[in-house]
Amino acid sequence: AQTVTQSQPEMSVQEAETVTLSCTYDTSESNYYLFWYKQPPSRQMILVIRQEAYKQQNATENRFSVNFQKAAKSFSLKISDSQLGDTAMYFCAFILTSGTYKYIFGTGTRLKVLA
Amino acid sequence: ETGVTQTPRHLVMGMTNKKSLKCEQHLGHNAMYWYKQSAKKPLELMFVYNFKEQTENNSVPSRFSPECPNSSHLFLHLHTLQPEDSALYLCASSQEMAYRLGTEAFFGQGTRLTVV
Repeated sequence: AQTVTQSQPEMSVQEAETVTLSCTYDTSESNYYLFWYKQPPSRQMILVIRQEAYKQQNATENRFSVNFQKAAKSFSLKISDSQLGDTAMYFCAFILTSGTYKYIFGTGTRLKVLA
Repeated sequence: ETGVTQTPRHLVMGMTNKKSLKCEQHLGHNAMYWYKQSAKKPLELMFVYNFKEQTENNSVPSRFSPECPNSSHLFLHLHTLQPEDSALYLCASSQEMAYRLGTEAFFGQGTRLTVV
């Protein structure tokens, strides 16, 4: 079975500081895509960053970057220069390339950025 | 209107009621999804439709009945629900073959359902 584990239910960080959210996943397949989504209080999930499992280079999107360790099945999200608008739930997810429309999600990490 | 739109935003229903959740997407996608979001649980995939055909039913109780009349609309019909069904129900859509392209699912704002 495919699963995603986010071991930090809640985290907080001071504005302008850096925070890392952890994610591990389990699958026996080798080809997949990984995602981090943000769910602000408005409840609409939006994509933060995407990583192809076949690429060793870690993805970056402005202040957001990932540390992808395929052998360890780890996919952490680093937020640099945290802003108040980063306050949200963050979900880690993946989808296999093997032909099913199944995005598998974790339980989420609630991040609060403190002024 | 663009993106994925869900109605209603909030719904309170009794255990004997029948209600429906509606989802509409204006992204030209062919796959649509229902997810259930409960506190401290992973997002649960309930149903997937691809080109109006159901491709996934994740052992969802029959009191939840999906309907996909076309690629732009998705419904979730609810009847005789239980209090433990109270949750946020999220609709999403994605491109055809999103699994191969690695494209993301686009989500609506969800319906907050309370069963009393």
